[in-house]
Amino acid sequence: GDSVTQMEGPVTLSEEAFLTINCTYTATGYPSLFWYVQYPGEGLQLLLKATKADDKGSNKGFEATYRKETTSFHLEKGSVQVSDSAVYFCAVTGGFKTIFGAGTRLFVKA
Amino acid sequence: GAGVSQTPSNKVTEKGKYVELRCDPISGHTALYWYRQSLGQGPEFLIYFQGTGAADDSGLPNDRFFAVRPEGSVSTLKIQRTERGDSAVYLCASSWGQPLTDTQYFGPGTRLTVL
Repeated sequence: GDSVTQMEGPVTLSEEAFLTINCTYTATGYPSLFWYVQYPGEGLQLLLKATKADDKGSNKGFEATYRKETTSFHLEKGSVQVSDSAVYFCAVTGGFKTIFGAGTRLFVKA
Repeated sequence: GAGVSQTPSNKVTEKGKYVELRCDPISGHTALYWYRQSLGQGPEFLIYFQGTGAADDSGLPNDRFFAVRPEGSVSTLKIQRTERGDSAVYLCASSWGQPLTDTQYFGPGTRLTVL
């Protein structure tokens, strides 16, 4: 079945540092890829998505590119802020079912 | 507008008891999903409804778990003969009805504790 592997955390960065959270997936066909985020005390919400190969999803300064050749969807941000501290989940949808990674906790220090 | 709501927010029960968890999706959303999230893990798919019917229930762990959505809106997840291993946060999400590409909107979850 479909699966997602993402970088283990926690990741601790200083404000304005560059962020990469790696995500790779296995899925048949033409899945869609997502990054969801959970801020402290809040529910899961979509950060960005890409629905076909080579698409780039972007939101709030975060970006991820759907790479079918490497089955990857790495999350990047050029300059993180304290307010980006959260848990980030990579997810793949190959049909009706969405499979989530285990999540990567990010701490950003001022 | 109103988001996805779930009740109760917390439920404590004893091993062997029956529980019902309720989800109110965003109005107009035809797709509804249930997930289970254990501490330190990502959400684990349980079941997907399109309208009133369960289009994919392959994630339900065993026959103690059952979900309904009789009128295509509110859904109830039912767990019989609860076990301590059922303790988790149960999440509900809804979307417009294209599961492959839709953004899912999540509720706050119901934290179930089985003593």
